[in-house]
Amino acid sequence: EPEVTQTPSHQVTQMGQEVILRCVPISNHLYFYWYRQILGQKVEFLVSFYNNEISEKSEIFDDQFSVERPDGSNFTLKIRSTKLEDSAMYFCASSEQGGGNTEAFFGQGTRLTVV
Amino acid sequence: GENVEQHPSTLSVQEGDSAVIKCTYSDSASNYFPWYKQELGKRPQLIIDIRSNVGEKKDQRIAVTLNKTAKHFSLHITETQPEDSAVYFCAASMGTPLVFGKGTRLSVIA
Repeated sequence: EPEVTQTPSHQVTQMGQEVILRCVPISNHLYFYWYRQILGQKVEFLVSFYNNEISEKSEIFDDQFSVERPDGSNFTLKIRSTKLEDSAMYFCASSEQGGGNTEAFFGQGTRLTVV
Repeated sequence: GENVEQHPSTLSVQEGDSAVIKCTYSDSASNYFPWYKQELGKRPQLIIDIRSNVGEKKDQRIAVTLNKTAKHFSLHITETQPEDSAVYFCAASMGTPLVFGKGTRLSVIA
């Protein structure tokens, strides 16, 4: 069964450093998402991406964050200058269709720890 | 925007008993309500979903009910088994990315 894969599974970084989280969505999917979950809190939407551009973003997704699809398979989330409060589990997801009305397939997540 | 509340946060049941998890949503325009199961260290996986034109949907031991008037939906698991132990997330969408509840940690005691 096709899966969304994320790397790394765990990333520890120093405050102020840049991190790049990587995702490989399911190959025939066209819509890509990043969510995050701070320990003990809700899964929160960050950004959606379609046709090589951001289609929607939340207020969490400020200028510190950027997304990119550098090639035909990878989808990345970059945090420019990490803060302690960026520590969370980051989930990538993809879906065949957009609009949130269709099944989103999630990756296993990257646990980001900012120290 | 949409807000989803989920209860309880933890739930323990004896093997074979039923488990019910409830969610409420705030925006009456939401029309898609999926439930995800996340086992320890694994990815969230869709287990069942319901759209607003349906009041109930069943898949073997799992059922979801939707009350649009009251703006709540529930997950029902019957004949629970130890492998049902996981965190369950409800979510709601109105044609925008999913808004999730906080999750329910279900423990099925053998």
